[in-house]
Amino acid sequence: RKEVEQDPGPFNVPEGATVAFNCTYSNSASQSFFWYRQDCRKEPKLLMSVYSSGNEDGRFTAQLNRASQYISLLIRDSKLSDSATYLCVVNVGTGNQFYFGTGTSLTVIP
Amino acid sequence: NAGVTQTPKFQVLKTGQSMTLQCAQDMNHEYMSWYRQDPGMGLRLIHYSVGAGITDQGEVPNGYNVSRSTTEDFPLRLLSAAPSQTSVYFCASSYQRKTDTQYFGPGTRLTVL
Repeated sequence: RKEVEQDPGPFNVPEGATVAFNCTYSNSASQSFFWYRQDCRKEPKLLMSVYSSGNEDGRFTAQLNRASQYISLLIRDSKLSDSATYLCVVNVGTGNQFYFGTGTSLTVIP
Repeated sequence: NAGVTQTPKFQVLKTGQSMTLQCAQDMNHEYMSWYRQDPGMGLRLIHYSVGAGITDQGEVPNGYNVSRSTTEDFPLRLLSAAPSQTSVYFCASSYQRKTDTQYFGPGTRLTVL
């Protein structure tokens, strides 16, 4: 079983739409959670950390559900510039290893 | 700050050749790591280091060696390249480990023929 699993998509949504991605993780000892964004043929960049109480950054909202072992990312009022692959990242065990999901592809359509 | 730099950006090797992928950061980060990214597999951790002189294996270490003689540099060595090592390689660093942002280099695209 993979440590982190994501729906690969692709998600194709119109501008202005709301879209949500989920990510499940297998290790209940996981301690830190992140969403990264990766543009085509570029390096991943941090979008936001995910805190236990949930957190928001502008149009982006991240939530953590420890009981069901998943994290989510909600994007409101989608922009063309949101088109990218979104990577779920989980820190496991001793804290020295990060596991990445395979990514969810989002295309925002004019 | 240059952030995390990687060289080369592209490389083609023949099976059995050796090479070193270079990674450097100028942010005085303790934690550095190497990942490979393959289609449908996501990023997988190869090796990581929590400080100068300390390295450890990640999820897919076989065929790769690392060393960390300075805080700034974390080279990845392929001793005998194989076609299965064709991939995009990313180096990353962070100030500490569990909660800090990882900063990635631009990647090295390696093809092994």
